[in-house]
Amino acid sequence: EADIYQTPRYLVIGTGKKITLECSQTMGHDKMYWYQQDPGMELHLIHYSYGVNSTEKGDLSSESTVSRIRTEHFPLTLESARPSHTSQYLCASSDRSGPTSYEQYFGPGTRLTVT
Amino acid sequence: DAKTTQPTSMDCAEGRAANLPCNHSTISGNEYVYWYRQIHSQGPQYIIHGLKNNETNEMASLIITEDRKSSTLILPHATLRDTAVYYCIVRVPRSASKIIFGSGTRLSIRP
Repeated sequence: EADIYQTPRYLVIGTGKKITLECSQTMGHDKMYWYQQDPGMELHLIHYSYGVNSTEKGDLSSESTVSRIRTEHFPLTLESARPSHTSQYLCASSDRSGPTSYEQYFGPGTRLTVT
Repeated sequence: DAKTTQPTSMDCAEGRAANLPCNHSTISGNEYVYWYRQIHSQGPQYIIHGLKNNETNEMASLIITEDRKSSTLILPHATLRDTAVYYCIVRVPRSASKIIFGSGTRLSIRP
């Protein structure tokens, strides 16, 4: 069973605040991803990492930033939240090799509302 | 990664087989076909994947045409809990593992 966690699950915050969405996985996966999804819409990749100290922008431009200092941890930060950042943020991880290398495991998501 | 085309929505009667098509006419020889689904408000869930042979697991069957330009995901006995958005993706595993999700097919199961 996949073990990937996201906190908080729900966050309502005012405009201008700095926020960090946490994502952790206990599977030792080297690849991790952040996706953004508006209600009823498709998933968009916004950041990914192929290992420690490796981060790349995804296909959808995002004002958020990420860091990968430890294998198991891939936090996403918004320096100054705006209402346009209201969305669901999904974290995922995958392995480089072995029988699970084809699968991406997703966390439960963080539903962010910026007022 | 190759682009995929799926119908926007489908419906199926409970207990019947749900057949979800996907076109991937520009798929390259080393790209696999993956299917994920996303039940409302949850993270996407892996269903099945294949290269060129038909595949079956406890959740579904995957039928890939001989030219690999299209595939069909089959849920043999659909239940109400199968109501979800189903994503068909093609990608090369290991070497380029970020996944591009399209809009998927919204499958509704009728009681």
